[in-house]
Amino acid sequence: AQKVTQAQTEISVVEKEDVTLDCVYETRDTTYYLFWYKQPPSGELVFLIRRNSFDEQNEISGRYSWNFQKSTSSFNFTITASQVVDSAVYFCALSEAWAAGNKLTFGGGTRVLVKP
Amino acid sequence: GAVVSQHPSWVICKSGTSVKIECRSLDFQATTMFWYRQFPKQSLMLMATSNEGSKATYEQGVEKDKFLINHASLTLSTLTVTSAHPEDSSFYICSARARAASEQYFGPGTRLTVT
Repeated sequence: AQKVTQAQTEISVVEKEDVTLDCVYETRDTTYYLFWYKQPPSGELVFLIRRNSFDEQNEISGRYSWNFQKSTSSFNFTITASQVVDSAVYFCALSEAWAAGNKLTFGGGTRVLVKP
Repeated sequence: GAVVSQHPSWVICKSGTSVKIECRSLDFQATTMFWYRQFPKQSLMLMATSNEGSKATYEQGVEKDKFLINHASLTLSTLTVTSAHPEDSSFYICSARARAASEQYFGPGTRLTVT
């Protein structure tokens, strides 16, 4: 069975600080997808990134960056120079290969509070 | 981009009544739709997976007679909470996936309050 663990339940930072969110996953599949979503107070999930299990390249998108380490089954997310608008709950998720219907298993989420 | 809508965005109902939530894919054909439930300050938990034209597959612990899912067309799935009770109060989110795609697109969610 697949499992996603986000050990940090809440992180509080001051604006302009960097913040790194940890995500550790478990799966027996060799082909899988990893995701990060942002859930602002409005509740709507905002897609941030998808990474497949064969692509270990790190990625940067503006102030966001992701570090995928297959050896440690981790897919960490860093927000550089955080802003108040980054305050939200962030979820890491895992999806097995297509045969499983692409069910998403979510981690428990990390609440990020960025103070001005 | 792919858009998924949900209706209503929020609903308050009395205990014992039934409430229907709609999930629509607006600009693509969704062969598979997923229904999630999220309690306050908790994560999303998958309730069921529905494929167009067939019965939904429910996750362990989800009562299929209480949470009726219908996916009668490629753009619409409905979740009916039957005989709702206060413990069913939650945030219900649907997502939709097109055939041969790995990406799911999420709806904005429906907040259900049962009094």
